[in-house]
Amino acid sequence: QSALTQPASVSGSPGQSITISCTGTSSDVGIYMVVSWYQQHPGKAPKLIIYEVSKRPSGVSNRFSGSKSGNAASLTISGLQAEDEADYYCCSYAGSTTFVFGGGTKVTVL
Amino acid sequence: EVQLVQSGAEVKKPGESLKISCRSSGYSFTRYWVGWLRQMPGKGLEWMGIIYPGASNTIYSPSFRGQVTISADNSVSTAYLQWRGLGASDTAIYYCVGRSGPADEGAFDYWGQGTLVTVSS
Repeated sequence: QSALTQPASVSGSPGQSITISCTGTSSDVGIYMVVSWYQQHPGKAPKLIIYEVSKRPSGVSNRFSGSKSGNAASLTISGLQAEDEADYYCCSYAGSTTFVFGGGTKVTVL
Repeated sequence: EVQLVQSGAEVKKPGESLKISCRSSGYSFTRYWVGWLRQMPGKGLEWMGIIYPGASNTIYSPSFRGQVTISADNSVSTAYLQWRGLGASDTAIYYCVGRSGPADEGAFDYWGQGTLVTVSS
C-alpha cells in the first residue's frame, strides 16, 4: 500500500487557477470514487474540502473543485486567494476498509 | 454539533507505554467509523487504522499493524490509540478522525485537534 503521489509544491498568483494532481494505482484511485482532499494551515488540524472526487461539503468555497481520470485525481483552486496558502492532501479508499494518503502539496500564493 | 476532543500532549521516554484518547460527542458513537492518522514533524498524513465501535471491527494499515492498538469504549464514546513500547520515531502529532458513512463512501468528515506525542530520553 504505497502513498499516493502529489507534487511537493505548487504556486500561483492571486486570481489565478492552480491544479494539484494525486496519482494512485488501479487498486485505489483508479477503481474507487472515494477520493477526498484536505486543507491544512500551519499548526492546525486538516479540514475536508472535497469528498467522493468532486463533492464539496457545506461551507466550502466553490473555488475548490475536484475531478478524476484513470488512476489520477486532481484538485483545482480557482481565483487563488492569500488564504488558500496551505498544505493539501489527497486520500483514497483502497479496498477492505483501508485508506491511503498522498504526501501532500504545499500551495504558495505569490 | 459533532466534536472529537483528544487528550493532551504527552512527553514519554523510549520504551514507555502510552494510551491517548479521542472523546466523541454530538452523534451516535457506535454508528461512525473512527480512524487515527499520524503526522511526523514536517511530514504528511499517514493512515494508521480505523475502528467501528458498533461492532468492535478494527482494521490496521500494514505499516502500523502490531505497532499500535486501536480500541473503543462505547460507554464513554471514546476511541483510543495505544503503544506498549514507544520509540523516538513515534514522535508525531496524532489525529483522530470520524467518518459518518460506510467506509467505502464519504470521507473523514470530522477531525480532532491532534495530540502531540514526544518521545525523548
